[in-house]
Amino acid sequence: ELKVEQNPLFLSMQEGKNYTIYCNYSTTSDRLYWYRQDPGKSLESLFVLLSNGAVKQEGRLMASLDTKARLSTLHITAAVHDLSATYFCAVARGSQGNLIFGKGTKLSVKP
Amino acid sequence: DVKVTQSSRYLVKRTGEKVFLECVQDMDHENMFWYRQDPGLGLRLIYFSYDVKMKEKGDIPEGYSVSREKKERFSLILESASTNQTSMYLCASSLRHRGGSGANVLTFGAGSRLTVL
Repeated sequence: ELKVEQNPLFLSMQEGKNYTIYCNYSTTSDRLYWYRQDPGKSLESLFVLLSNGAVKQEGRLMASLDTKARLSTLHITAAVHDLSATYFCAVARGSQGNLIFGKGTKLSVKP
Repeated sequence: DVKVTQSSRYLVKRTGEKVFLECVQDMDHENMFWYRQDPGLGLRLIYFSYDVKMKEKGDIPEGYSVSREKKERFSLILESASTNQTSMYLCASSLRHRGGSGANVLTFGAGSRLTVL
């Protein structure tokens, strides 16, 4: 059974600091996704990681994937308040886009 | 620019009522999904569909059914609503995976918050 675990579940950061969110999954998968959710809003796709060693970057966010360790990381560089949101990782189960989500990491960036 | 539309943002129903949640997508996606989102539990898959008139159970299908009569529309049905079905329901859609390194990114609707009293 595929399980996806994120940690930490809550993260309070100061502006300007760096931090990493971790996503572990229990069985082999060829696709890993990161989504962002703002309060009261729906999920927005951030990154799709398709192969071992894949790295994607957008602004202050960088995601990477290690399929051998079944681990993805979302690294936040020099956090700003606008990054406050809940971040979900999700792993594909099967070939048709059936995603299993982690519980989410609620990030709060304080001045 | 709305791509996945959920018909109701907020609903309040009574225990035992039949509830319909409607979802329409305009991207010609083959796959459609219903998730529920609860605090501390993340998103859990209820049902999904790969094609018209096809449906597959997800991880928590009990108490729910679905209908997909047209490609663009996927309905979630609560035959007899119960208080433990109070939740945020999220519909999503994606293209069919065509092999290779396709991404199958899910596009989500805005959500339907259901309260069952």
